[in-house]
Amino acid sequence: AQSVSQHNHHVILSEAASLELGCNYSYGGTVNLFWYVQYPGQHLQLLLKYFSGDPLVKGIKGFEAEFIKSKFSFNLRKPSVQWSDTAEYFCAAGDTGFQKLVFGTGTRLLVSP
Amino acid sequence: DADVTQTPRNRITKTGKRIMLECSQTKGHDRMYWYRQDPGLGLRLIYYSFDVKDINKGEISDGYSVSRQAQAKFSLSLESAIPNQTALYFCATAGADAYEQYFGPGTRLTVT
Repeated sequence: AQSVSQHNHHVILSEAASLELGCNYSYGGTVNLFWYVQYPGQHLQLLLKYFSGDPLVKGIKGFEAEFIKSKFSFNLRKPSVQWSDTAEYFCAAGDTGFQKLVFGTGTRLLVSP
Repeated sequence: DADVTQTPRNRITKTGKRIMLECSQTKGHDRMYWYRQDPGLGLRLIYYSFDVKDINKGEISDGYSVSRQAQAKFSLSLESAIPNQTALYFCATAGADAYEQYFGPGTRLTVT
C-alpha cells in the first residue's frame, strides 16, 4: 500500500524567505501526487497536482512542486513566502487501484511578518 | 453556497452516546469520503463510497459506521462515542478523478 512521509512537522519562516517542504512516497509504480493546504479555520483545498508529464508543476498562489522519481519525492516550493501562507500543508498520493488518497502527517508553516 | 457542507460544525458529547455527522454535496459527485484529522497524524480515511450501493472501509473504520442515503448525502455515525474519537472530521467528494477531492469545512467533535 502507498504511504506518504512528510519530515518537517513545523516550519517557521520570515516573510520573503524561500520555502521547501519535503514529501516522500513509497509506491514505485505510476503515481499521482498532490499538495493540499489548510488555512487556519478553513477546509482543505487543492494546491497543486501531478499526474504525468512535466515533473515541475505549478499551483495556485505561486507554489510549485517537483516530482523526482528516482528519489520518490514531491517537494513543495515557493521562492518568497508571505504571512498569508501560514497554514498546514499536506502531501498526498493516489493509492493506485483503490481510488483513494493517502495523506502525509502534514507540515505546519508559520510565516512571521 | 458551499459545495460540500457538514453538520454540525461543532459537537460535544459524552462517552457512550450515539452521534451522527452529516455531509451533503451539490457537486454531483459519486465518490464521497470521511476522514478524521488528529494533530501529528494528518488525515486518515474512515470510510468511502463510490456510489449509493458501494461502501468501503478505510484504514480506521472500527467504532464507526456510515450510511449513503443518496448520491448527495453521506453520514458518519459513532454508535457509542469514546474520548479517543475526539477529532476533526472531514467529508470530501470526488468526481471522475477520485484523487482530486473537495473537502467540507469539518466537524469538530469532542467526546468527554
